[in-house]
Amino acid sequence: EVQLLESGGGLVQPGGSLRLSCAASAFTFSNYGMSWVRQAPGKGLEWVSTISGSGSSTYYADSVKGRFTISRDNSKNTLYLQMNSLRAEDTAIYYCAKVSSGWFNYFDYWGQGTLVTVSS
Amino acid sequence: EIVLTQSPGTLSLSPGERATLSCRASQSVSSSYLGWYQQKPGQAPRLLIYGASSRATGIPDRFSGSGSGTDFTLTISRLEPEDFAVYYCQQYGSSPFTFGPGTKVDIK
Repeated sequence: EVQLLESGGGLVQPGGSLRLSCAASAFTFSNYGMSWVRQAPGKGLEWVSTISGSGSSTYYADSVKGRFTISRDNSKNTLYLQMNSLRAEDTAIYYCAKVSSGWFNYFDYWGQGTLVTVSS
Repeated sequence: EIVLTQSPGTLSLSPGERATLSCRASQSVSSSYLGWYQQKPGQAPRLLIYGASSRATGIPDRFSGSGSGTDFTLTISRLEPEDFAVYYCQQYGSSPFTFGPGTKVDIK
């Protein structure tokens, strides 16, 4: 069964950095696009970023462009999100999600999420 | 950017009743690239419907999706106790891949 396990969340001060990881298993990782989606406390879902299977194409929401970087290591079946210049409004649960095929497609599997809190 | 609007914000129904949830897009969603997700408290979202009307693997047939262009609907034919949750629509035809604000289906 497909499994996605996020890690790396925690408390960070405004302006700080954090790197999230998502370990994937039970599918051929390099064949699928992957995404990050976040959810602020008590709020709805917000797409953050998507990366193609090879890692050659990346897409970002305007709210994180220039501050966040999505990447992947296909040899380790792991997805990353490097978050710099963090703001209070970045506080959220961050989910990694598998793209069903290609990279412009729906999310068929989701991890359980990791909480990022930006506060002084 | 395609903005998705969901209505109603909250739907209060009893088990066994029919639920009809609406998702409207600010511009046409290409190739019906519209999905629906269910989220229960403390859990990750779960895919229900993709391509506007195709049920995801393992989703009961009481869930159905319809629509095209800018108007989409998720219907739950007879609510089961486990169906009370928040439902989100999402378009994935163009970046940014936007979500609607959600419809909460709660017990009347």
